[in-house]
Amino acid sequence: GQQLNQSPQSMFIQEGEDVSMNCTSSSIFNTWLWYKQDPGEGPVLLIALYKAGELTSNGRLTAQFGITRKDSFLNISASIPSDVGIYFCAGQFQGAQKLVFGQGTRLTINP
Amino acid sequence: DSGVTQTPKHLITATGQRVTLRCSPRSGDLSVYWYQQSLDQGLQFLIQYYNGEERAKGNILERFSAQQFPDLHSELNLSSLELGDSALYFCASSVGLGELFFGEGSRLTVL
Repeated sequence: GQQLNQSPQSMFIQEGEDVSMNCTSSSIFNTWLWYKQDPGEGPVLLIALYKAGELTSNGRLTAQFGITRKDSFLNISASIPSDVGIYFCAGQFQGAQKLVFGQGTRLTINP
Repeated sequence: DSGVTQTPKHLITATGQRVTLRCSPRSGDLSVYWYQQSLDQGLQFLIQYYNGEERAKGNILERFSAQQFPDLHSELNLSSLELGDSALYFCASSVGLGELFFGEGSRLTVL
């Protein structure tokens, strides 16, 4: 069953605004990853986090691996129209290769 | 382009039928994963193969089966199809622990 709680489920923002979304779990993960999915496409990896407390940036995106290893957040600064899509967090248990996915955050941007 | 190739991209079939989805992983990746994504849902893990052997199993129905061949490509077989099997089926590959790279998916419609 689903083990990751991702919020918010959807966001409606104005172009240029900053965005923040997060994932929490009752389980400890060894790795956190953030993916973006465009309609009809496969998820594309945005950021991977491997250490508790790690803060990693990829352009306007910043993600952090929570100290407790049970949460992660993703921030997008100065949003642009191409940021529209569904963002998924994913966690990987120690020793396991499969990913457990959150339910996704659907981002809509008003120009 | 993630380097993961899935065919077919679209498939329409009738209830009770059987279909086969094919996946070629990224060059050098030994692990192949299959995920199912129903309409507006997250990604549900089905099964993982590593170098030809089943490594992990998720919520895969008994009507579904998969295999990974010596050349590392994988096939997901779906039989006795039901309306509820309509979904996007994604294949992903990885070298080992950490990042999974997803294909563009096969959209299955069961009528």
